[in-house]
Amino acid sequence: SAVISQKPSRDICQRGTSLTIQCQVDSQVTMMFWYRQQPGQSLTLIATANQGSEATYESGFVIDKFPISRPNLTFSTLTVSNMSPEDSSIYLCSVGVGKGSYGYTFGSGTRLTVV
Amino acid sequence: TQLLEQSPQFLSIQEGENLTVYCNSSSVFSSLQWYRQEPGEGPVLLVTVVTGGEVKKLKRLTFQFGDARKDSSLHITAAQPGDTGLYLCAGAYSGAGSYQLTFGKGTKLSVIP
Repeated sequence: SAVISQKPSRDICQRGTSLTIQCQVDSQVTMMFWYRQQPGQSLTLIATANQGSEATYESGFVIDKFPISRPNLTFSTLTVSNMSPEDSSIYLCSVGVGKGSYGYTFGSGTRLTVV
Repeated sequence: TQLLEQSPQFLSIQEGENLTVYCNSSSVFSSLQWYRQEPGEGPVLLVTVVTGGEVKKLKRLTFQFGDARKDSSLHITAAQPGDTGLYLCAGAYSGAGSYQLTFGKGTKLSVIP
């Protein structure tokens, strides 16, 4: 299965600033997925990033707050904009293992703390 | 919004004991996945079950998919400290896009030496 490099692994940011998270995959993939894992909560899908088109956002997530880039088939970024303490969370990127319904491979996550 | 109920939420057991984690929904899954997540890491896929009644084994871990494909269980035999972690189930629902999963809240397992 694919190997994903995600960075930064953690960051502490001031409220009102923005942070860009990067994910690099060691093989070409059609779709990349961005998740949020809030403390004590499960994973929630933020958006699906396709190369060459705009990302598809889930209910409750908007492009202005979480802009996503997907410049090629091995790379994607997620920006958390105008951060507030409520954005403190773990952010994870993932790709499908074969067909998506058969599982995901995840990056190691970015632990974000907003102060 | 589809819900996946996972229980128990926390589990602390002695090394050598057996345990079972449950994942339930009122909806039918097209597939069900189990992941383990350790602190500071992303979830790692353990198994995917697709067929109702399916049983898969991974060393001391046994995964079962309910006949109606609405529930699943993870049984660990003779737990070891290395089994400590957060266990997550995730379901792909029939009718949803094949890349759309719903995750349970997880079971945090601690195995005490």
